[in-house]
Amino acid sequence: QKEVEQDPGPLSVPEGAIVSLNCTYSNSAFQYFMWYRQYSRKGPELLMYTYSSGNKEDGRFTAQVDKSSKYISLFIRDSQPSDSATYLCAMRGGGFGNEKLTFGTGTRLTIIP
Amino acid sequence: GAVVSQHPSWVICKSGTSVKIECRSLDFQATTMFWYRQFPKQSLMLMATSNEGSKATYEQGVEKDKFLINHASLTLSTLTVTSAHPEDSSFYICSARVRTGATEAFFGQGTRLTVV
Repeated sequence: QKEVEQDPGPLSVPEGAIVSLNCTYSNSAFQYFMWYRQYSRKGPELLMYTYSSGNKEDGRFTAQVDKSSKYISLFIRDSQPSDSATYLCAMRGGGFGNEKLTFGTGTRLTIIP
Repeated sequence: GAVVSQHPSWVICKSGTSVKIECRSLDFQATTMFWYRQFPKQSLMLMATSNEGSKATYEQGVEKDKFLINHASLTLSTLTVTSAHPEDSSFYICSARVRTGATEAFFGQGTRLTVV
């Protein structure tokens, strides 16, 4: 079993829809949770990060973490064609010396105009 | 956010030759950089952690002698793929944190290596 599971998609939604992206994980030591966006043939771009459980909002993006369920989500409101990309979840443990990020496989998202 | 620059963006080389990829932190000093490899439609797999002034720490299954990492300064780490073979063709990406223990990791734009 992988430490981080993410549905690879592809996921296609019409422009303006709300997108929900999710990851589950098995390692209870994970403390920091991140979402990256990766366009084709480019490096990942950090969208949001969250520490422990809770919600975090940034513009059209909302990240949620439920540590009790080992489940994290990214919501995109009013989705735009420019949001079409692969979205990677990533997580790591807390403290110094524990900086290794574990990534999900990524979900390929297409927003249809 | 902080800027990490990777060069070259793509490279084609002949089998048996060596290729060097550079990763630079442009507006901050990075004591630690990370090298990843990504196959099509797969996630990033950490290859090694590069520490300035010391030897890199390689993940299990990654050949140290094949993937040479040098982190000679606080703003530059290099990955050299030695005696490249077609199976080494992949997307290589580096990342760095603005300081030890920082949460955010910033990634370079990646290098697509094709070995023919």
